[in-house]
Amino acid sequence: DTGVSQDPRHKITKRGQNVTFRCDPISEHNRLYWYRQTLGQGPEFLTYFQNEAQLEKSRLLSDRFSAERPKGSFSTLEIQRTEQRDSAMYRCASSLMAGGPTYEQYFGPGTRLTVT
Amino acid sequence: GESVGLHLPTLSVQEGDNSIINCAYSNSASDYFIWYKQESGKGPQFIIDIRSNMDKRQGQRVTVLLNKTVKHLSLQIAATQPGDSAVYFCAEKGADSNYQLIWGAGTKLIIKP
Repeated sequence: DTGVSQDPRHKITKRGQNVTFRCDPISEHNRLYWYRQTLGQGPEFLTYFQNEAQLEKSRLLSDRFSAERPKGSFSTLEIQRTEQRDSAMYRCASSLMAGGPTYEQYFGPGTRLTVT
Repeated sequence: GESVGLHLPTLSVQEGDNSIINCAYSNSASDYFIWYKQESGKGPQFIIDIRSNMDKRQGQRVTVLLNKTVKHLSLQIAATQPGDSAVYFCAEKGADSNYQLIWGAGTKLIIKP
């Protein structure tokens, strides 16, 4: 499978614990995005990487959230001191650098986080 | 602020009929629009896109119409099939960004047999 993959698919954690999610984008894609999605809503932008550089981080994103893409390939999203309101589906997407006619992003299956 | 939204949260259509899903946007400076389909348990999948210098674009069984005068976008699905059942999202990209898509709430399309 050459699509975007995410690990784990599900994560249940207790409030206050730290969690880390991994995303492996499509190999030739140099752009990577993290989104949070709740039921019935469109994905909410969290952060964006171009190669290894984190170029944008949502103002809505708490300081408890951090993301890395150390070698410009896979990325990790860490949430520290989780809270119940962090419960959501966390989706990763990747794309080629703009220059062509499309800004299509390819989405992974997501990691569902439940904070108890 | 900028927003993209859908008029109807749920749309029920008879199998074989055409479906029309509507989307309103508020940022007149947006220069690119995209429709995604999200099936249950899966990530969003690209359907079709359109740039602001176009009014209409057709794909396989799908057509996107853009009316910049009233800031309205629609997705037309011809001869709706059971496999079209999903939540449909529209998203826009502002002219001042080269990557960020702003998404609206979805419309759930239900196909009646």
